[in-house]
Amino acid sequence: SYELTQSSSVSVSPGQTASITCSGDKLGDKYVCWYQQKPGQSPVLVIYQDGKRPSGIPERFSGSNSGNTATLTISGTQAMDEADYYCQAWDSSVVFGGGTKLTVL
Amino acid sequence: QVQLQESGPGLVKPSQTLSLTCTVSGGSITSGSFYWSWIRQPAGKGLEWIGRIYTSGSTNYNPSLKSRVTMSVDTSKKQFSLNLSSVTAADTAVYYCAREAVGEVANWFDPWGQGTLVTVSS
Repeated sequence: SYELTQSSSVSVSPGQTASITCSGDKLGDKYVCWYQQKPGQSPVLVIYQDGKRPSGIPERFSGSNSGNTATLTISGTQAMDEADYYCQAWDSSVVFGGGTKLTVL
Repeated sequence: QVQLQESGPGLVKPSQTLSLTCTVSGGSITSGSFYWSWIRQPAGKGLEWIGRIYTSGSTNYNPSLKSRVTMSVDTSKKQFSLNLSSVTAADTAVYYCAREAVGEVANWFDPWGQGTLVTVSS
């Protein structure tokens, strides 16, 4: 079965750029989306179809996908962005990455 | 905007069937290219897709759970449901319902319900 791999944690200083990666075999041939989940809350879609932002998601969130890696980039990271982030794709079934904990310190 | 709300027992005994319902409000359950999905998350762990249903009744299930999962939809009540049979402690999780948008070789979940904790224990 298809697998998506994320690093378990990423740290970033406030105001800096955070990059969260998601890797999978020929992932660039698939569409990837990203979810943000804060403690005790439901996941929220922040990026879909590789790089599109839903209404209400700040412009500092962007996404890209090429080769075997998709990347969620948060520019000018704020303390409120501290959360778990999950990538997701479709390969005969829905596949989620294991999640990355973003710490803003 | 569309909102989803899960409901059902918070405690299920081992070997029994877990049954949850998701009620859709603020929009139609039959409009657009949307599926209606269930996703779960054990405490401290990641997300696992359980399956989805279209308003026609067509379903797709996670292969790892397929033998135990049944989904149904009641468009008149704007509800869809999940049954998971023969549960064990490994099925203890927060269960989310979500609307799934489906495009060409793309899909995404938005919005999600608030989630409901189901514990499997005797």
